[in-house]
Amino acid sequence: NAGVTQTPKFQVLKTGQSMTLQCAQDMNHNSMYWYRQDPGMGLRLIYYSASEGTTDKGEVPNGYNVSRLNKREFSLRLESAAPSQTSVYFCASSEAGTIREKLFFGSGTQLSVL
Amino acid sequence: AQTVTQSQPEMSVQEAETVTLSCTYDTSESNYYLFWYKQPPSRQMILVIRQEAYKQQNATENRFSVNFQKAAKSFSLKISDSQLGDTAMYFCAFMKPLNTGFQKLVFGTGTRLLVSP
Repeated sequence: NAGVTQTPKFQVLKTGQSMTLQCAQDMNHNSMYWYRQDPGMGLRLIYYSASEGTTDKGEVPNGYNVSRLNKREFSLRLESAAPSQTSVYFCASSEAGTIREKLFFGSGTQLSVL
Repeated sequence: AQTVTQSQPEMSVQEAETVTLSCTYDTSESNYYLFWYKQPPSRQMILVIRQEAYKQQNATENRFSVNFQKAAKSFSLKISDSQLGDTAMYFCAFMKPLNTGFQKLVFGTGTRLLVSP
């Protein structure tokens, strides 16, 4: 089982460039999330999708947009990358309706914005 | 808003010894969940242990156990018989349960644990 798959694993952008981080899960989970991880900051929630067709802002949504393309896929877009967006990005999913269920994480995307 | 504090940025322990990682949190909720996640150098986030606040009994998973002090809002992780594979970043996390089942975790800043031979 693949679980949560993120692409790409590494990316270097120039300031002002745009890109989309892709995430797909094969566990039929309703809820999906995007986190960023910065040194000394832990993981912070960027956006989430509680169910297919819905998306909401997390703690740090500025500079990002998301699309819940279908139940499996949840993409994160940087329209105009800035050096402050240099980070490791994690996608995660969980089963809605069972709050005891754990979060499943992808392996992360290391993004550098120069 | 909930906050999670891990006051130990780094810790070291020798193989086979016991180590305790600290975590405190701030919330006005009475019902919630607490987690410890492990992040090895591979970057994969792995759930280590979970504690429901309404349960008085401390959670245990093999060599991993917690000391949950609800009144003190403290949630420490004890790793017994430390192994080299325990070397990782450890994150404490808080979750307020929602009726939708949606999980919104609040993470601490992490403790880097190094296990040496």
